[in-house]
Amino acid sequence: AQSVTQPDIHITVSEGASLELRCNYSYGATPYLFWYVQSPGQGLQLLLKYFSGDTLVQGIKGFEAEFKRSQSSFNLRKPSVHWSDAAEYFCAVGSQAGTALIFGKGTTLSVSS
Amino acid sequence: DAGVIQSPRHEVTEMGQEVTLRCKPISGHNSLFWYRQTMMRGLELLIYFNNNVPIDDSGMPEDRFSAKMPNASFSTLKIQPSEPRDSAVYFCASSGLAGGQFIQYFGAGTRLSVL
Repeated sequence: AQSVTQPDIHITVSEGASLELRCNYSYGATPYLFWYVQSPGQGLQLLLKYFSGDTLVQGIKGFEAEFKRSQSSFNLRKPSVHWSDAAEYFCAVGSQAGTALIFGKGTTLSVSS
Repeated sequence: DAGVIQSPRHEVTEMGQEVTLRCKPISGHNSLFWYRQTMMRGLELLIYFNNNVPIDDSGMPEDRFSAKMPNASFSTLKIQPSEPRDSAVYFCASSGLAGGQFIQYFGAGTRLSVL
């Protein structure tokens, strides 16, 4: 079955500390991977994507993610978290054909001062 | 571009009433998706269209839900009759081929409360 697992429901990080959000996927075809961020009451904003090539991808707001095929993972990282990064983060997988995305349940990030 | 536009942003209705959610995709995009977000089930696909034709409606919960895309710039999701368990945030997304890649862009969502 195709699925995305985000093992951490809620993470709290101190401002200025590093962040890693985990994502594992199960997908029958070549996966196209995405991270989206959702602020309260807002829609989903694309942070970054992986389609092919370099397995370390850079996104907006200083985020990066690394695709590890052997581990079926696509973890999101940021070296120094800002209070404005507090939000819900979703990992998603899709196909090259542009079909619907399969989302993880999300990880809520809180930033403490 | 203004992005994907959804209306209304909030809808409060009583059980049994008809609810219509609207979506205007990004101009030039040929795929449109309706997702539902709940605490229990997260983000789930309801239906998606390609070139105005429904391709996958396997996520539509039951016959009370229907979706249409009469043209490339407009889609509706209708619930009739509505029930309290339909309370959720409904997102519309659109995508088109750019640089050999399909990326979905989301609207701000419609928060539906059925009393």
